[in-house]
Amino acid sequence: GAVVSQHPSWVICKSGTSVKIECRSLDFQATTMFWYRQFPKQSLMLMATSNEGSKATYEQGVEKDKFLINHASLTLSTLTVTSAHPEDSSFYICSASRPPLNEKLFFGSGTQLSVL
Amino acid sequence: DAKTTQPNSMESNEEEPVHLPCNHSTISGTDYIHWYRQLPSQGPEYVIHGLTSNVNNRMASLAIAEDRKSSTLILHRATLRDAAVYYCILDGGATNKLIFGTGTLLAVQP
Repeated sequence: GAVVSQHPSWVICKSGTSVKIECRSLDFQATTMFWYRQFPKQSLMLMATSNEGSKATYEQGVEKDKFLINHASLTLSTLTVTSAHPEDSSFYICSASRPPLNEKLFFGSGTQLSVL
Repeated sequence: DAKTTQPNSMESNEEEPVHLPCNHSTISGTDYIHWYRQLPSQGPEYVIHGLTSNVNNRMASLAIAEDRKSSTLILHRATLRDAAVYYCILDGGATNKLIFGTGTLLAVQP
């Protein structure tokens, strides 16, 4: 089956630094990828929709300058948390859509970010 | 996006069937009903989806009410590995963008 690979699985960084998370579709081309974040014991919150070759669409309340998304190829989307602060500590999850629409999404295994 | 309502938690015994309900009274005619589950510290995993007819796959069955205002995910024989949060999500189909609700935490007792 289709696989989405997400790296790193976990990362610890100092406050003020930037962290990049990669999301790759391994055996299919993903024109659309989605980024979620999840706090402990809460549901997934959609952050943004990433479309290959165009600017990402951010959900209301998500700072686009803080969470930079790049979808430069059909198999790779990256999320960069800029100037990370402790409140950005969370579980970040990506997912990829494979045509046709209305079919299932494929999710990465998630990245646990801890900002000290 | 149309909203779904699920019980916060449910319990089951191992090797018994589990019926996880979901209400979606404001569903539109083009909304697909998706079910995903999430194990601790992992990304969600696809379970099943359907539009109008009941669906079966190797993981589960999806029973959709005739008026489509509710659906039930059926795990035929629960195992300890089925303990997870189960999310029922509606997808209008235009974007594949899934908005997750709070889901149902399923506990499976040995």
